[in-house]
Amino acid sequence: QSALTQPASVSGSPGQSITISCTGTSSDVGGYNYVSWYQQHPGKAPKLMIYEVSNRPSGVSNRFSGSKSGNTASLTISGLQAEDEADYYCSSYTSSSTWVFGGGTKLTVL
Amino acid sequence: EVQLVQSGAEVKKPGESLKISCKGSGYSFTSYWIGWVRQMPGKGLEWMGIIYPGDSDTRYSPSFQGQVTISADKSISTAYLQWSSLKASDTAMYYCARRPGGHYDYWGQGTLVTVSS
Repeated sequence: QSALTQPASVSGSPGQSITISCTGTSSDVGGYNYVSWYQQHPGKAPKLMIYEVSNRPSGVSNRFSGSKSGNTASLTISGLQAEDEADYYCSSYTSSSTWVFGGGTKLTVL
Repeated sequence: EVQLVQSGAEVKKPGESLKISCKGSGYSFTSYWIGWVRQMPGKGLEWMGIIYPGDSDTRYSPSFQGQVTISADKSISTAYLQWSSLKASDTAMYYCARRPGGHYDYWGQGTLVTVSS
């Protein structure tokens, strides 16, 4: 099972919006609505930000949103804040009844 | 409050065995899958496998099948990840996480495993 494809890095200025893509196949991202996104700050455990493509857990800012088109899912962060600087990982359920993560994207807030 | 508390950091030699733990509290431990995730130094997250403590149904990533064993003791609400013969390449942070659906909502704090001669 190959990792999902994410850009290695993205950046944006405070207040701007950025989008992180996550590309898989019809056997994972494209085949199921079980795409989730995680934020990880250095030295910390991952934190769930989006589940089932576009749902936000309680307590997660509405500046975070998710979507999917075909085999590509996306995480959009609007109104960038300094505290958003972190690594972001997508994940998807697969046709093998397993899960797969993306390679991760480092978000830098300029 | 849902919590997953993992066992402490380990330093082992190549060839040694190891079992790390993840204790759940604040919810019905037997009703949710528990997954294990590896993060090698400076690298991304890798899904290793998952167990349903209610009946010990277990699934493994092909990359980790045969390399590790996932188990659970529902009487003490604890899941385990074990190795029979560690390698230097097993050096990593290992996380457990609860799976309520198609995602992982609560994560343990991580267990750092260092394998060095």
